[in-house]
Amino acid sequence: IAGITQAPTSQILAAGRRMTLRCTQDMRHNAMYWYRQDLGLGLRLIHYSNTAGTTGKGEVPDGYSVSRANTDDFPLTLASAVPSQTSVYFCASSHRATTDTGELFFGEGSRLTVL
Amino acid sequence: GQNIDQPTEMTATEGAIVQINCTYQTSGFNGLFWYQQHAGEAPTFLSYNVLDGLEEKGRFSSFLSRSKGYSYLLLKELQMKDSASYLCAPLDSNYQLIWGAGTKLIIKP
Repeated sequence: IAGITQAPTSQILAAGRRMTLRCTQDMRHNAMYWYRQDLGLGLRLIHYSNTAGTTGKGEVPDGYSVSRANTDDFPLTLASAVPSQTSVYFCASSHRATTDTGELFFGEGSRLTVL
Repeated sequence: GQNIDQPTEMTATEGAIVQINCTYQTSGFNGLFWYQQHAGEAPTFLSYNVLDGLEEKGRFSSFLSRSKGYSYLLLKELQMKDSASYLCAPLDSNYQLIWGAGTKLIIKP
């Protein structure tokens, strides 16, 4: 049982480079999310998708873009990485948009360092 | 604004009981989640409260008071594996999770 898979698990990136973090789930969940987690701060929502074909901006969307071409995949792209994007990125999914007990299932995280 | 307040760090002894408090201010409220996160790992779901009162699930219980904007997570019979961060996350009026920074719980033998 894979659940939700992220790649890469870790990456060091030069500033200005483009980077795509991949996220795939096999639970047929409708909703997917990208969060970043920084020391001393709560998880912050970057972008989300309530269903395939739709996306929305979260709390900290600047510098990031997403697409949701199908139910399973939700890649996050940094068009031109900057050092402030150094963080741990978590992809998550839920059966439906968190309307009641929409428990989130998280991937193992992608640790990104931008130099 | 929206705000979550929980202690940064707590220490407890193996076999004991610990209560982790969370106070919140959100734009609307649609329930509150608790997640556990071991160091270097992803958060995992512990509990969800939408009505006032206590929800018990094995060694873990979660309490909610909507009028006070207050929740706590109660861990009984502490084990070393309970050393982790515990994240409080209420749902706001837009059904978005607002995450606290988490409470790091250290269990000592």
